[in-house]
Amino acid sequence: EPEVTQTPSHQVTQMGQEVILRCVPISNHLYFYWYRQILGQKVEFLVSFYNNEISEKSEIFDDQFSVERPDGSNFTLKIRSTKLEDSAMYFCASRTSRGEKLFFGSGTQLSVL
Amino acid sequence: TQLLEQSPQFLSIQEGENLTVYCNSSSVFSSLQWYRQEPGEGPVLLVTVVTGGEVKKLKRLTFQFGDARKDSSLHITAAQPGDTGLYLCAGEYRDQGAQKLVFGQGTRLTINP
Repeated sequence: EPEVTQTPSHQVTQMGQEVILRCVPISNHLYFYWYRQILGQKVEFLVSFYNNEISEKSEIFDDQFSVERPDGSNFTLKIRSTKLEDSAMYFCASRTSRGEKLFFGSGTQLSVL
Repeated sequence: TQLLEQSPQFLSIQEGENLTVYCNSSSVFSSLQWYRQEPGEGPVLLVTVVTGGEVKKLKRLTFQFGDARKDSSLHITAAQPGDTGLYLCAGEYRDQGAQKLVFGQGTRLTINP
């Protein structure tokens, strides 16, 4: 079965540094998402992306966050100046259309020190 | 934001026993999804229920959507150690024209041999 691929699997960074989390969605998918899961807490929606623009974002997705689809295959999440509370597992997900199955990547564990 | 409450949060039972996990809300969802998440991996979709009262079976797993589309249950018959994992429910709904997906906090299931 096709997979959503995320890199790196683990990222450790110092507070205040910029990080870029990378995702390669499934090739024929059109809708892309970032979610995060703080240890022991719910999976939380961050942002959805369609047709090269953000279609929706949550309150968590403030000015420190941005997303980009720099080419036909990658979908990135940038955190400009990381805070301790940004430490979480970040999941990328994609699907062909809104009503279809959502495929999740295996996540990037971000640790901010 | 609509909320989903899962219960129990933790469940540890012996192999061969039956169990039910509940996912409840005061809000109506257009669909309810059940995921299973292994440590260090992203959620993997098990099933989507769409119609009120719908029942879907996946081998020993039975999923039911409440008649009012506000709640759902996952019943496992004759649980096996391989069923051990984190089970997440997620509800899809429309909010001001935007399609949203909200997750429950998960049920961590342990099946003891």
